[in-house]
Amino acid sequence: DAGITQSPRHKVTETGTPVTLRCHQTENHRYMYWYRQDPGHGLRLIHYSYGVKDTDKGEVSDGYSVSRSKTEDFLLTLESATSSQTSVYFCAISEESGTDTQYFGPGTRLTVL
Amino acid sequence: AQSVAQPEDQVNVAEGNPLTVKCTYSVSGNPYLFWYVQYPNRGLQFLLKYITGDNLVKGSYGFEAEFNKSQTSFHLKKPSALVSDSALYFCAVIPGTGRRALTFGSGTRLQVQP
Repeated sequence: DAGITQSPRHKVTETGTPVTLRCHQTENHRYMYWYRQDPGHGLRLIHYSYGVKDTDKGEVSDGYSVSRSKTEDFLLTLESATSSQTSVYFCAISEESGTDTQYFGPGTRLTVL
Repeated sequence: AQSVAQPEDQVNVAEGNPLTVKCTYSVSGNPYLFWYVQYPNRGLQFLLKYITGDNLVKGSYGFEAEFNKSQTSFHLKKPSALVSDSALYFCAVIPGTGRRALTFGSGTRLQVQP
């Protein structure tokens, strides 16, 4: 398995609270991605990063922000969590974009009450 | 905008029989196509990808997929199913032009009966 860890693995929080999810890689890959997985939707891209301090939005970025201050860490923040953000969140990495394979972390299950 | 369709929510097959999981796509330019598998409470594992060249791509665990440009399809196949193949399978595409990000299908649950 690619060296990707996510923390926490499970979190329950209340509506309106801030939440930060962490993705850590040991592969020194340039690209990192955050996806959410919901039944019937597959995985949808939230944000991605193409280098330290370089990020861009995905198709479902509203309500989420990201930061990447080091190559190995990519943080996803929900500034004020809502019940619609209850989901399983996956981090992925790839050496380059385009044709390079993305490798996924184990996921974080987030429940917003 | 690109899209991926997996028309079957679930596929049931008996162990030892051949299996097919269907995928069709709509993208701009030449597509880059991927299959991933997800076991319960796990992340996605890469199975195989088509970038260019031979239309038949071989991947992990005995799986293969056939790229058909005229039918815009990329069906996943295996000659002989195992019970351990039971999992959720995702087809994904990166378009040949524009933002190079994966777009996933909604997934197909494969159930292999002993």
